[in-house]
Amino acid sequence: AQKITQTQPGMFVQEKEAVTLDCTYDTSDQSYGLFWYKQPSSGEMIFLIYQGSYDEQNATEGRYSLNFQKARKSANLVISASQLGDSAMYFCAMRPSGTYKYIFGTGTRLKVLA
Amino acid sequence: NAGVTQTPKFRILKIGQSMTLQCTQDMNHNYMYWYRQDPGMGLKLIYYSVGAGITDKGEVPNGYNVSRSTTEDFPLRLELAAPSQTSVYFCASSYRDRATDTQYFGPGTRLTVL
Repeated sequence: AQKITQTQPGMFVQEKEAVTLDCTYDTSDQSYGLFWYKQPSSGEMIFLIYQGSYDEQNATEGRYSLNFQKARKSANLVISASQLGDSAMYFCAMRPSGTYKYIFGTGTRLKVLA
Repeated sequence: NAGVTQTPKFRILKIGQSMTLQCTQDMNHNYMYWYRQDPGMGLKLIYYSVGAGITDKGEVPNGYNVSRSTTEDFPLRLELAAPSQTSVYFCASSYRDRATDTQYFGPGTRLTVL
């Protein structure tokens, strides 16, 4: 079965430090896309970063990078230089190629401490 | 651009009532989606559409119906509302090319069924 697992329900990080949010996925497909979304307390879903399964380089978007380890089926999100505004819920998601369906994990709540 | 808009933002229904959640996007995306997010959980796909006139079921379609008569609009119909349908509903549209695959979300509709 295709599945996304986020094992950290909650995490704390000190402001200006880096933090890694874990995500593992399960699929038998060779081609798929991996995503991270941020959901602040206001409730909207904000797209952060995308990684294609055939991309050889890890995706980066500003302070966000996706640590993609295909053999381990992990797609961890790294946030560098954490800011107070990074406090939010973070969701990992996957879209197997050939489908239009996105599968979401249960999320990790990140709290950045001043 | 307005992006993805949803109405209403909040609604309270009585058991057995019906309603339509409206969703409109102005980005000319072919793909549109409806998700529900229960408290403390990730998103579950209700229905999706790959273009005008084409819809298909997601993970949790029971109790819902959709239609897609235009590229812009993708309304979600709740028939005979039940307390189990209390949730936050997100509409999304997506754009896909060789370099990226991005879903854009609306602000959500918070529905309570009493």
